[in-house]
This record gives sequence, C-alpha cells and structure tokens, in this order.
Amino acid sequence: KAGVTQTPRYLIKTRGQQVTLSCSPISGHRSVSWYQQTPGQGLQFLFEYFSETQRNKGNFPGRFSGRQFSNSRSEMNVSTLELGDSALYLCASSLLAGGNEQFFGPGTRLTVL
Amino acid sequence: AQSVTQLGSHVSVSEGALVLLRCNYSSSVPPYLFWYVQYPNQGLQLLLKYTSAATLVKGINGFEAEFKKSETSFHLTKPSAHMSDAAEYFCAVSGGNQGGKLIFGQGTELSVKP
Repeated sequence: KAGVTQTPRYLIKTRGQQVTLSCSPISGHRSVSWYQQTPGQGLQFLFEYFSETQRNKGNFPGRFSGRQFSNSRSEMNVSTLELGDSALYLCASSLLAGGNEQFFGPGTRLTVL
Repeated sequence: AQSVTQLGSHVSVSEGALVLLRCNYSSSVPPYLFWYVQYPNQGLQLLLKYTSAATLVKGINGFEAEFKKSETSFHLTKPSAHMSDAAEYFCAVSGGNQGGKLIFGQGTELSVKP
C-alpha cells in the first residue's frame, strides 16, 4: 500500500506570494492533519480534516488555510508569505479522526526569500 | 492542556550501548502516547504507540517504551544501539478533547559513536 505523498517536495517563494501544498493520504484513510516544523518552534499542529470538514485547528493566523476533497486528498494554502513561514510542512493521514496513529508523508520544504 | 517534555536535546551513545531517551507528558485525560523517528530530509516514522493496553510497548527496530502513569513518563529504550539509529526522535501525546491533534516534544537528536 502506498504511503502518504506530498507535492511538491521543495518550493521557493518570495515574500507576499501565496503557495498551495498538496497531500494524498494512504488509500482508505479519511483523516488528514498538517504540521509545520521549524528549528525554533519544533513541530506544531496546523489543522485536521475528516470527511471534508475541518475538525481541529492550531494557533496559526488566518493566512494558513486548508481543505479536503471527497477523495480525502488535502491541500493547504498560505497567503501573503512571510520569511517566518519557511519550514517543512508535514502531512499525516490516519484511518479515522481523533487520537489514533498518524502516518506521515516526506514533507514539503518551503523556503520564503 | 496537554504537553510533552523531552529531557536532553542531544544524546550520544556508543554502538552497542543502551539507548535511553526520556519523555514526560502532562495530560488531564488518559493519553495516547507515541514515539516517532525522523531521519534527515524525511518525514516522521512511527516507532511505537501506547493506547491504554499493555504498559510496556514494543516497537520497530528493537525499540520499546514503558508507560508509567505515576511518573507521567514514557521513556524510549533500546538495549543495543546501532549506527543506523542515529536520527531525531520525537515523543508525542494526543487524546481527550484535542482529538487527533498530536502535541510533540522538542525532539532528541541521537548520535551513535563507533
């Protein structure tokens, strides 16, 4: 069974631009969560989607948004990019929502110049 | 609120020596606890999980962890370190009204000396 895939793997943007990251969960998994990883803040939860509905949201500004499609694939969008948004963005999928083990993708490395 | 503290941002052991990575958690509800490993330029791989069954949990690659409620700890151990164990390790907690949200510790970088 294929794992979680994320595209693109690397991305370079400039301040003020917007970016969309994509995540395809493991087949049959209906829950997708997103995390931001930076050297200073570590791993921080962004949001969780299940059956196209956002179930949980972390403490990030409204510039960070996401959505989930009927096939469970998910996208996250960051608008008006700032230098501090440079990070590894990780997507994780799980079979069901809430508290169960999550399987992570390889991440998208975003660099904002 | 739930939180995780990993003691020691860097741990260095010799090949063949015991690996002990410490994790303490704070949770007002019975937690789910996890250990993940991250190799350079990769995502997180689940090593093991505690979900209120056996308190001693065995994972992949010879790792195990023991849930001690009285000490609010979930330390990760491996009897004999291998060079390939060098990586960053993260302890995480979820559960209660946090749903599927994982709260991670700051991570411990494990170095293995030949």
